[in-house]
Amino acid sequence: GDSVTQTEGPVTVSESESLIINCTYSATSIAYPNLFWYVRYPGEGLQLLLKVITAGQKGSSRGFEATYNKETTSFHLQKASVQESDSAVYYCALGHYGNEKITFGAGTKLTIKP
Amino acid sequence: EAAVTQSPRNKVAVTGGKVTLSCNQTNNHNNMYWYRQDTGHGLRLIHYSYGAGSTEKGDIPDGYKASRPSQENFSLILELATPSQTSVYFCASGDAGYFGPGTRLTVL
Repeated sequence: GDSVTQTEGPVTVSESESLIINCTYSATSIAYPNLFWYVRYPGEGLQLLLKVITAGQKGSSRGFEATYNKETTSFHLQKASVQESDSAVYYCALGHYGNEKITFGAGTKLTIKP
Repeated sequence: EAAVTQSPRNKVAVTGGKVTLSCNQTNNHNNMYWYRQDTGHGLRLIHYSYGAGSTEKGDIPDGYKASRPSQENFSLILELATPSQTSVYFCASGDAGYFGPGTRLTVL
């Protein structure tokens, strides 16, 4: 079946430093799945942060970026300068056409030190 | 903005009891989903639905039933709750984007 592997948390980064959360995927029944990053802020529900459905393209939102790399089957999340408000749990995920079923990674808890 | 609400937000149940988790969405999405999330795991799909009257098994359906009586409502039913079903449950609707706030279920 499909699987998503991401940086095991917790991860702690100082404010204004750069961040990368690694994500690699394996999609057994589709060559080019849709890829997503979700975020769950403390006390809130899960939110879609960004998605990319075309290999080679980059998605961005709230200063975060992720590039769909089909050669390395990766979709790493990056931010050049993190803020304390970025503290949250981040999930990498993949979906097939129509996104009826989405496979999630285990989540990475990120804490930003002021 | 699509809204997905869940009730209850917290529930304590006894082993062998029946538990019903409810989900309501107001954006007229056809697809709805129930996931559970446990420490060390991502969200795992339990059941989903393509529309009123439809329910489909997800990746971990054992011990759960689902009911979709209307476009807006999708319920998850634990007929005989067990401690292994202690978890946080999320409902979602639409194309990957809209999740409810979660229900924390503890089965004693």
